[in-house]
Amino acid sequence: NAGVMQNPRHLVRRRGQEARLRCSPMKGHSHVYWYRQLPEEGLKFMVYLQKENIIDESGMPKERFSAEFPKEGPSILRIQQVVRGDSAAYFCASSPRGGAAGNYNEQFFGPGTRLTVL
Amino acid sequence: AQSVAQPEDQVNVAEGNPLTVKCTYSVSGNPYLFWYVQYPNRGLQFLLKYITGDNLVKGSYGFEAEFNKSQTSFHLKKPSALVSDSALYFCAVSLYSGGYQKVTFGIGTKLQVIP
Repeated sequence: NAGVMQNPRHLVRRRGQEARLRCSPMKGHSHVYWYRQLPEEGLKFMVYLQKENIIDESGMPKERFSAEFPKEGPSILRIQQVVRGDSAAYFCASSPRGGAAGNYNEQFFGPGTRLTVL
Repeated sequence: AQSVAQPEDQVNVAEGNPLTVKCTYSVSGNPYLFWYVQYPNRGLQFLLKYITGDNLVKGSYGFEAEFNKSQTSFHLKKPSALVSDSALYFCAVSLYSGGYQKVTFGIGTKLQVIP
């Protein structure tokens, strides 16, 4: 059973370009989470998605960032008009169970995409 | 709101010595607690979890953690450190909030095991 897959592993963009980060959850997982990791700042929650639904996007910047998890295909984190401050490692995690009360929601992480904005 | 505190940015320990990585949490209910490890340029790997039951939880690679409700702590421990344990360790808490089981991660503690 393949783990969570993310691609690309490394992405270089110039300021103003768009960045698209892909995440394929583990087989049988329909819940996806995106996190951003900045040096010295730990792991910050961005968004939680189920198939075709955004459940919680409270950690997502209001502008330039969007996420989707279509019925078919990977989850996409999209950053428009990137700026140098967007440079970070972006991690995707998936879980087999969702958010019902009592589900302990163990998450399985992908290897991350390291975005560098020049 | 739920939060996790990892009070030490870095922990240094000599190889073969016992290690402790501290974690305290703040929630308004009964949490589920986790430890994850991150090696350089890799994603997070699950180490262990506390859901209910015995306060001492055993996990991967010889690690264990003790849940202490009165002190709201969940410290990670290992009796004898290995150089290969050097990595970044994250504590996390999961609590039902806002309609789903939300996970909050600590800022991470860098563990350096000195040969």
